[in-house]
Amino acid sequence: DAKTTQPTSMDCAEGRAANLPCNHSTISGNEYVYWYRQIHSQGPQYIIHGLKNNETNEMASLIITEDRKSSTLILPHATLRDTAVYYCIVRVVDDYKLSFGAGTTVTVRA
Amino acid sequence: EAGVTQSPTHLIKTRGQQATLRCSPISGHTSVYWYQQALGLGLQFLLWYDEGEERNRGNFPPRFSGRQFPNYSSELNVNALELEDSALYLCASSFQHLTNYGYTFGSGTRLTVV
Repeated sequence: DAKTTQPTSMDCAEGRAANLPCNHSTISGNEYVYWYRQIHSQGPQYIIHGLKNNETNEMASLIITEDRKSSTLILPHATLRDTAVYYCIVRVVDDYKLSFGAGTTVTVRA
Repeated sequence: EAGVTQSPTHLIKTRGQQATLRCSPISGHTSVYWYQQALGLGLQFLLWYDEGEERNRGNFPPRFSGRQFPNYSSELNVNALELEDSALYLCASSFQHLTNYGYTFGSGTRLTVV
């Protein structure tokens, strides 16, 4: 019952910015946008989340459109270690469950 | 600070046997969540424990069960194993369930049923 749509896969050159899009056209006013990533055979790792303002941390930036129907995760300088499956998730902040979709497989190439 | 730790890393069982998977949450975290990641099916929510009680479960049969101990560690038991139970089982923890950052996952237990 994932509420997001992401491209299946994308490639990125090492050192360049990676822009990962996500559509969440049915997002509710109290739902946040979360991004996690999963490097092969490891547990998912939290990256960033936001409600309506753009957010930035040491890992990435999150740009949310004004109507909140889509967002973009930006990895500013992709490295080979950023190769992973990236999940965009919408969630009410106190919901106990994370609903993972298929995510975007990002491959960073040298 | 130690993260979420799971044991064993790998487990091989025969169909019909029982499997027990263990999870130690981050110190101070009281909620533990279990997810199943089978090949081609993505992560599926299994169980949520908080303060020693089962708070919610996903759409899994009763042979998937578990418990949470007074020290907040948790055990997942899978009885009467079937081949399709082969998957990566992930445990996550959070301080209660009211957290802005979702939760922190462990590296998982790879269960193989033969």
